[in-house]
Amino acid sequence: KAGVTQTPRYLIKTRGQQVTLSCSPISGHRSVSWYQQTPGQGLQFLFEYFSETQRNKGNFPGRFSGRQFSNSRSEMNVSTLELGDSALYLCASSLEGDTNEKLFFGSGTQLSVL
Amino acid sequence: AQSVAQPEDQVNVAEGNPLTVKCTYSVSGNPYLFWYVQYPNRGLQFLLKYITGDNLVKGSYGFEAEFNKSQTSFHLKKPSALVSDSALYFCAVREVPANDYKLSFGAGTTVTVRA
Repeated sequence: KAGVTQTPRYLIKTRGQQVTLSCSPISGHRSVSWYQQTPGQGLQFLFEYFSETQRNKGNFPGRFSGRQFSNSRSEMNVSTLELGDSALYLCASSLEGDTNEKLFFGSGTQLSVL
Repeated sequence: AQSVAQPEDQVNVAEGNPLTVKCTYSVSGNPYLFWYVQYPNRGLQFLLKYITGDNLVKGSYGFEAEFNKSQTSFHLKKPSALVSDSALYFCAVREVPANDYKLSFGAGTTVTVRA
């Protein structure tokens, strides 16, 4: 079974641009969540989607948004990029997103904002 | 609110020696606790979890962790470390029954095992 796939692997953007990251979950997984990883802040929760509905959102500005499609694939978008948005963005999937489920992570998208 | 603390940024051990990575948590209700490992340029991989039952949980690659409710701790252990265990380790918590669909992670502990 294929794992969680994130594309692209690396991105370089300049301030003010926008970016879209993609995540394909493990087949059969309906919950997709996104995390931002930085050396100083560790892993911070961005949002979680299930059946095309956002069930929770972390403490990030409105420039960060996401969506989930009917096939459970998810995208996140960051508009008006800032230098501080440089980070590794990780996507994770699980069957239902239940409290006791483990998450399966992709390898991430490394975003650099210049 | 749920939170996790990993008091050590780095842990250095010699190969063959015991390895311990510390984790303490804070929740209002009951915790579900997890350990994940991250190798360079990779995503996180699940090691083990505590949900209920036996306080000693065994996981992948010979790792185990002990849930201690009175000390609110969930330390990760391995009796004999390998060079290949060198990686970044994250402890994470979910509060029960609050189902907010997110994991709260600690800041991570970098483990270096020297040959």
